[in-house]
Amino acid sequence: EAGVAQSPRYKIIEKRQSVAFWCNPISGHATLYWYQQILGQGPKLLIQFQNNGVVDDSQLPKDRFSAERLKGVDSTLKIQPAKLEDSAVYLCASSLAGGAGNTQYFGPGTRLTVL
Amino acid sequence: GNSVTQMEGPVTLSEEAFLTINCTYTATGYPSLFWYVQYPGEGLQLLLKATKADDKGSNKGFEATYRKETTSFHLEKGSVQVSDSAVYFCALSHGDDKIIFGKGTRLHILP
Repeated sequence: EAGVAQSPRYKIIEKRQSVAFWCNPISGHATLYWYQQILGQGPKLLIQFQNNGVVDDSQLPKDRFSAERLKGVDSTLKIQPAKLEDSAVYLCASSLAGGAGNTQYFGPGTRLTVL
Repeated sequence: GNSVTQMEGPVTLSEEAFLTINCTYTATGYPSLFWYVQYPGEGLQLLLKATKADDKGSNKGFEATYRKETTSFHLEKGSVQVSDSAVYFCALSHGDDKIIFGKGTRLHILP
Protein backbone atom coordinates (compact mmCIF):
# COMPACT_ATOMS: atom_id res chain seq x y z
CA GLU A 1 0.00 0.00 0.00
CA ALA A 2 1.43 3.36 -1.01
CA GLY A 3 1.98 5.85 1.79
CA VAL A 4 1.24 9.55 1.97
CA ALA A 5 3.09 11.37 -0.81
CA GLN A 6 4.32 14.94 -0.58
CA SER A 7 6.14 17.24 -2.94
CA PRO A 8 8.43 18.97 -3.18
CA ARG A 9 10.70 17.51 -0.49
CA TYR A 10 12.70 20.72 -0.18
CA LYS A 11 12.01 24.34 -1.06
CA ILE A 12 14.05 27.49 -0.60
CA ILE A 13 12.44 30.86 -1.19
CA GLU A 14 12.96 34.46 -0.23
CA LYS A 15 10.67 36.25 2.18
CA ARG A 16 7.55 37.74 0.64
CA GLN A 17 7.54 35.10 -2.09
CA SER A 18 4.76 32.55 -2.34
CA VAL A 19 5.05 28.76 -2.17
CA ALA A 20 2.74 25.78 -2.48
CA PHE A 21 3.00 22.24 -1.18
CA TRP A 22 1.15 19.21 -2.45
CA CYS A 23 -0.09 16.13 -0.63
CA ASN A 24 -1.62 12.90 -1.88
CA PRO A 25 -3.08 10.87 0.99
CA ILE A 26 -3.42 7.12 1.24
CA SER A 27 -6.15 5.89 -1.06
CA GLY A 28 -9.52 5.79 0.69
CA HIS A 29 -8.51 7.97 3.61
CA ALA A 30 -11.21 10.53 4.28
CA THR A 31 -9.34 12.71 6.73
CA LEU A 32 -6.29 14.78 5.82
CA TYR A 33 -4.12 16.93 8.07
CA TRP A 34 -1.43 19.54 7.54
CA TYR A 35 1.11 20.07 10.33
CA GLN A 36 3.92 22.58 10.77
CA GLN A 37 7.06 21.32 12.51
CA ILE A 38 9.51 24.03 13.48
CA LEU A 39 13.05 22.87 14.23
CA GLY A 40 13.32 21.55 17.77
CA GLN A 41 9.56 21.34 18.28
CA GLY A 42 6.84 18.79 17.78
CA PRO A 43 4.40 19.04 14.88
CA LYS A 44 1.54 21.52 15.27
CA LEU A 45 -1.76 21.00 13.48
CA LEU A 46 -2.56 23.71 10.95
CA ILE A 47 -5.70 22.37 9.30
CA GLN A 48 -7.81 19.22 9.17
CA PHE A 49 -10.07 18.17 6.31
CA GLN A 50 -12.82 15.58 6.35
CA ASN A 51 -13.29 14.69 2.68
CA ASN A 52 -13.25 18.16 1.08
CA GLY A 53 -14.62 20.07 4.06
CA VAL A 54 -12.59 21.86 6.72
CA VAL A 55 -13.00 20.40 10.23
CA ASP A 56 -10.48 22.53 12.10
CA ASP A 57 -8.36 25.43 10.91
CA SER A 58 -8.13 27.25 14.23
CA GLN A 59 -4.32 27.35 14.15
CA LEU A 60 -3.92 28.28 10.50
CA PRO A 61 -2.60 31.85 10.03
CA LYS A 62 -5.30 32.76 7.57
CA ASP A 63 -3.77 36.07 6.58
CA ARG A 64 -1.02 34.22 4.70
CA PHE A 65 -1.80 30.50 4.71
CA SER A 66 -4.50 28.79 2.70
CA ALA A 67 -5.31 25.17 1.98
CA GLU A 68 -7.74 23.29 -0.16
CA ARG A 69 -8.70 19.73 -0.82
CA LEU A 70 -10.52 19.54 -4.09
CA LYS A 71 -12.58 16.43 -4.73
CA GLY A 72 -11.69 15.14 -1.28
CA VAL A 73 -8.38 13.57 -2.35
CA ASP A 74 -5.22 15.63 -2.99
CA SER A 75 -4.55 18.76 -1.04
CA THR A 76 -2.42 21.86 -1.45
CA LEU A 77 -1.13 24.21 1.22
CA LYS A 78 -0.07 27.69 0.14
CA ILE A 79 1.84 30.44 1.88
CA GLN A 80 1.62 33.94 0.45
CA PRO A 81 3.64 35.95 1.31
CA ALA A 82 6.18 33.89 3.23
CA LYS A 83 7.95 35.16 6.34
CA LEU A 84 11.23 34.07 7.88
CA GLU A 85 9.37 32.38 10.74
CA ASP A 86 7.59 30.08 8.25
CA SER A 87 10.81 28.09 7.87
CA ALA A 88 9.77 24.61 8.99
CA VAL A 89 8.91 21.13 7.82
CA TYR A 90 5.33 20.87 6.59
CA LEU A 91 3.87 17.44 7.21
CA CYS A 92 0.79 15.95 5.63
CA ALA A 93 -1.02 13.06 7.29
CA SER A 94 -4.14 11.07 6.54
CA SER A 95 -6.41 8.70 8.39
CA LEU A 96 -9.21 6.41 7.37
CA ALA A 97 -11.72 8.52 9.29
CA GLY A 98 -11.70 11.15 11.98
CA GLY A 99 -11.84 10.30 15.64
CA ALA A 100 -9.41 9.50 18.43
CA GLY A 101 -9.14 5.81 17.56
CA ASN A 102 -7.89 6.31 14.02
CA THR A 103 -4.18 6.15 13.29
CA GLN A 104 -2.71 9.04 11.35
CA TYR A 105 -0.17 8.16 8.68
CA PHE A 106 2.42 10.80 7.90
CA GLY A 107 4.20 11.71 4.70
CA PRO A 108 7.94 12.51 4.56
CA GLY A 109 7.32 16.25 4.74
CA THR A 110 8.43 19.31 2.80
CA ARG A 111 11.31 21.26 4.31
CA LEU A 112 10.82 24.98 3.66
CA THR A 113 13.61 27.49 4.12
CA VAL A 114 12.70 31.17 3.90
CA LEU A 115 15.68 33.49 3.38
CA GLY B 1 -4.72 23.20 28.19
CA ASN B 2 -3.48 19.79 27.17
CA SER B 3 0.27 19.40 26.84
CA VAL B 4 3.09 16.88 26.67
CA THR B 5 6.56 17.23 28.21
CA GLN B 6 9.36 14.86 27.29
CA MET B 7 13.00 14.68 28.21
CA GLU B 8 15.32 16.79 26.14
CA GLY B 9 17.90 15.18 23.94
CA PRO B 10 20.04 14.21 22.44
CA VAL B 11 20.29 10.90 24.23
CA THR B 12 23.40 8.91 23.32
CA LEU B 13 23.70 5.23 24.24
CA SER B 14 25.83 2.29 23.28
CA GLU B 15 24.29 -0.63 21.44
CA GLU B 16 22.52 -3.11 23.73
CA ALA B 17 22.04 -0.50 26.47
CA PHE B 18 18.71 -0.01 28.25
CA LEU B 19 16.66 2.95 27.05
CA THR B 20 14.21 5.15 28.91
CA ILE B 21 12.74 8.33 27.46
CA ASN B 22 10.55 10.11 29.97
CA CYS B 23 7.19 11.61 29.03
CA THR B 24 4.57 13.29 31.21
CA TYR B 25 1.31 14.85 30.16
CA THR B 26 -1.25 17.38 31.31
CA ALA B 27 -4.87 16.72 30.42
CA THR B 28 -8.22 16.32 32.07
CA GLY B 29 -9.82 12.92 32.04
CA TYR B 30 -8.29 10.06 30.11
CA PRO B 31 -6.48 10.99 26.91
CA SER B 32 -5.04 8.47 24.47
CA LEU B 33 -1.25 8.42 24.56
CA PHE B 34 1.19 7.72 21.74
CA TRP B 35 4.83 7.40 20.87
CA TYR B 36 5.78 8.35 17.32
CA VAL B 37 9.20 7.79 15.75
CA GLN B 38 10.85 9.73 12.94
CA TYR B 39 13.77 7.96 11.24
CA PRO B 40 16.21 10.11 9.25
CA GLY B 41 14.66 11.25 6.00
CA GLU B 42 11.31 9.62 6.72
CA GLY B 43 7.90 10.69 7.96
CA LEU B 44 6.52 10.20 11.44
CA GLN B 45 5.40 6.66 12.21
CA LEU B 46 3.21 5.50 15.04
CA LEU B 47 5.38 3.32 17.28
CA LEU B 48 2.85 2.38 19.97
CA LYS B 49 -0.20 3.67 21.77
CA ALA B 50 -2.33 3.17 24.88
CA THR B 51 -5.89 4.31 25.29
CA LYS B 52 -6.66 3.79 28.97
CA ALA B 53 -4.95 3.73 32.35
CA ASP B 54 -2.58 0.79 33.01
CA ASP B 55 -2.57 -0.20 29.33
CA LYS B 56 0.82 -1.14 27.97
CA GLY B 57 1.62 -0.36 24.36
CA SER B 58 4.40 -2.33 22.72
CA ASN B 59 6.06 -2.63 19.31
CA LYS B 60 9.52 -3.53 17.96
CA GLY B 61 10.79 -4.23 21.49
CA PHE B 62 9.65 -0.84 22.78
CA GLU B 63 7.13 -0.56 25.62
CA ALA B 64 5.27 2.22 27.41
CA THR B 65 2.71 1.98 30.21
CA TYR B 66 -0.09 4.49 30.72
CA ARG B 67 0.27 5.65 34.33
CA LYS B 68 -2.66 7.80 35.38
CA GLU B 69 -1.36 8.33 38.92
CA THR B 70 1.87 9.89 37.70
CA THR B 71 0.47 11.20 34.36
CA SER B 72 3.36 9.49 32.60
CA PHE B 73 3.98 7.36 29.52
CA HIS B 74 7.70 6.60 29.57
CA LEU B 75 9.21 4.78 26.60
CA GLU B 76 11.53 1.84 27.35
CA LYS B 77 13.55 -0.72 25.44
CA GLY B 78 15.71 -3.37 27.00
CA SER B 79 18.46 -3.50 24.37
CA VAL B 80 18.77 -0.77 21.75
CA GLN B 81 20.25 -1.19 18.29
CA VAL B 82 21.97 1.26 15.97
CA SER B 83 18.86 1.13 13.79
CA ASP B 84 16.84 2.65 16.65
CA SER B 85 18.59 5.98 16.12
CA ALA B 86 15.79 8.42 15.40
CA VAL B 87 13.70 11.20 16.93
CA TYR B 88 10.96 10.01 19.30
CA PHE B 89 7.82 12.05 19.98
CA CYS B 90 5.41 11.53 22.85
CA ALA B 91 1.88 12.67 22.04
CA LEU B 92 -1.68 12.71 23.29
CA SER B 93 -5.15 12.88 21.81
CA HIS B 94 -8.13 13.85 23.91
CA GLY B 95 -11.73 13.74 22.85
CA ASP B 96 -11.04 14.04 19.16
CA ASP B 97 -8.30 13.09 16.74
CA LYS B 98 -6.28 16.26 17.29
CA ILE B 99 -2.80 15.13 18.33
CA ILE B 100 -0.64 17.24 20.63
CA PHE B 101 3.05 16.40 20.33
CA GLY B 102 5.97 16.87 22.66
CA LYS B 103 9.13 18.50 21.36
CA GLY B 104 10.82 15.24 20.50
CA THR B 105 13.91 13.45 21.81
CA ARG B 106 16.76 12.63 19.47
CA LEU B 107 18.33 9.25 20.15
CA HIS B 108 21.83 8.28 18.96
CA ILE B 109 22.94 4.68 19.32
CA LEU B 110 26.67 4.04 19.01
CA PRO B 111 27.92 0.68 17.67
